[in-house]
Amino acid sequence: DSGVTQTPKHLITATGQRVTLRCSPRSGDLSVYWYQQSLDQGLQFLIQYYNGEERAKGNILERFSAQQFPDLHSELNLSSLELGDSALYFCASSVQQGGGEQYFGPGTRLTVT
Amino acid sequence: GIQVEQSPPDLILQEGANSTLRCNFSDSVNNLQWFHQNPWGQLINLFYIPSGTKQNGRLSATTVATERYSLLYISSSQTTDSGVYFCAVERFGTASKLTFGTGTRLQVTL
Repeated sequence: DSGVTQTPKHLITATGQRVTLRCSPRSGDLSVYWYQQSLDQGLQFLIQYYNGEERAKGNILERFSAQQFPDLHSELNLSSLELGDSALYFCASSVQQGGGEQYFGPGTRLTVT
Repeated sequence: GIQVEQSPPDLILQEGANSTLRCNFSDSVNNLQWFHQNPWGQLINLFYIPSGTKQNGRLSATTVATERYSLLYISSSQTTDSGVYFCAVERFGTASKLTFGTGTRLQVTL
């Protein structure tokens, strides 16, 4: 158990819908990262927050957004869902802003039908 | 961006055999991690090893940062070692994100 929690574990929804994925980092970790794992793109970085502020952005679609709350949990919002958004979404956390070990949560498996 | 190549892409071993997985990267890094993704999809941290050598039970890893590669050694493999092994790096001096290799899929048979 990494100490990072993600909910829900599975999510099945229809095209065009909007979903929210939730992540709670390990106790004491200030950085939260979101990654997407799809069959065709592999594991890709989406976005990072550090202590409530956005710090780095990767290949995140405009239909996706995220935020980190004062209690340091984070949410990833996916809207206008398409079939291609079906993937495993991971949250990771680390103590520092960069260069430190990242610990991954169990992931949320999203299926868009 | 930084390139991360893993080899071999696939590996089939008999239980008890040893193996070496390799990760090459194209630029200087300040973070390198090895993960095991089990059949249920969970990513398990194996090593945080931007340089040097570490050992944890039957697993050990070595990163030679100056030559831009890392090796993961699995000894006396067990069926529970099956899954996909990923190497991920964070490029030095850039935003803190991990760039993953495409993985080595390991199958350990009885």
